[in-house]
Amino acid sequence: GPKVLQIPSHQIIDMGQMVTLNCDPVSNHLYFYWYKQILGQQMEFLVNFYNGKVMEKSKLFKDQFSVERPDGSYFTLKIQPTALEDSAVYFCASSLAKGDTEVFFGKGTRLTVV
Amino acid sequence: QQQVRQSPQSLTVWEGETAILNCSYEDSTFDYFPWYRLFPGESPALLIAIRPVSNKKEDGRFTIFFNKREKKLSLHITDSQPGDSATYFCAASGDTGYQNFYFGKGTSLTVIP
Repeated sequence: GPKVLQIPSHQIIDMGQMVTLNCDPVSNHLYFYWYKQILGQQMEFLVNFYNGKVMEKSKLFKDQFSVERPDGSYFTLKIQPTALEDSAVYFCASSLAKGDTEVFFGKGTRLTVV
Repeated sequence: QQQVRQSPQSLTVWEGETAILNCSYEDSTFDYFPWYRLFPGESPALLIAIRPVSNKKEDGRFTIFFNKREKKLSLHITDSQPGDSATYFCAASGDTGYQNFYFGKGTSLTVIP
């Protein structure tokens, strides 16, 4: 079936540095999402993105976070600067439309900030 | 405050039994409830979903029972198979139209042959 690919699967970065998490969504999808899962906790919504713009974001989407999808390439989540509390698994997701259409998730990128 | 809660955290059943996974939610405006299944090393994948206009949704061996008044739902897996062993996540989204899900922490299901 359709797949969302996330690269890399695991990234270790020094606190204060910038990190970019890459997501290759399903090819014809138009809506994109990032979720964050801290170890032992539930997956939590960060942001959704459509037509080149952030449509909605949660309180977890700090000012240090940004998303973009330049020219239909990777959908990226950038964190600059990183903090220890940013250590988590970040899941990318995409869907063709709003409403009841299926949302497809990637396998996640485990980010460790040291 | 956690918006979606799941119980039990883990569940073990014998092959052929019915597994019952429970979910409750806080926000009465939630109007879409998907269940996602996660196998180790894979991506969470949509299993079945329900909207509050229905109190039951069936797909093969998987059935969602929904109680809007009590803000509870459950996933029943009949004739459980070892291949059903996975983590099951209940999720909910509101009426914005976007799929901004609130997830539960998941139930880890083990089916013993």
